[in-house]
Amino acid sequence: QVQLVQSGAEMKKPGASVKVSCKASGYTFTSYYLHWVRQTPGQGLEWMGIINSSGGSTSYAQTFQGRVTMTRDTSTSTVYMELSSLRSEDTAVYYCAREKGLDFAAAGTVFDFWGQGTLVTVSS
Amino acid sequence: DIVMTQSPDSLTVSLGERATINCKSSHSISYRSSNRNFLAWYQQKPGQPPKLLIYWASTRESGVPDRFSGSGSGTDFTLTISSLQAEDVAVYYCQQYYNTPQTFGQGTKVEIK
Repeated sequence: QVQLVQSGAEMKKPGASVKVSCKASGYTFTSYYLHWVRQTPGQGLEWMGIINSSGGSTSYAQTFQGRVTMTRDTSTSTVYMELSSLRSEDTAVYYCAREKGLDFAAAGTVFDFWGQGTLVTVSS
Repeated sequence: DIVMTQSPDSLTVSLGERATINCKSSHSISYRSSNRNFLAWYQQKPGQPPKLLIYWASTRESGVPDRFSGSGSGTDFTLTISSLQAEDVAVYYCQQYYNTPQTFGQGTKVEIK
């Protein structure tokens, strides 16, 4: 069965960076794009970006440009999301999510499997 | 970015009764020529990630009970739970994927009366 298993909760100080991992199993890793979505009490669910699990190319939401880096390791079927220059507003649950294959081309996508979430707390 | 607005913010319904959640987009999210509506619905229970229920506004994801149905086009969409069950207590989100960034509604909390 498809599983996305994320790394554990993190506590960081303002200005620091955090790197969250997401290990995929139960499907061919390189056949699906993976995304990162965060959930905050204030902003709700926010899409952060996408990584091509095969080629490694990325595209980030404007909000996070310059602060986020997504990478992947095909040998371990793992994707990573690093967010830098953390501030208190980045306190959130961060999810990786698999892009569902759709039968019609769309600019965006929907997410059929999600990781369990990683709580990142930013506090001095 | 396309703004998605849900109503109501919360809903209390008796077991077995109908629950209706509305979602409005700031821009049309339909391709008229293809009759496609780029709208999905998710269910999120406490401590869990969102679960995909419906996409293309009305196509149920595999395994989703048929008491969940979606409708609408253009800018106005609806999720209906025909007969509310105890396990349906959750927050429901709509999401557009017509444009990037895909964006979500603020959520509607469904509780039992």
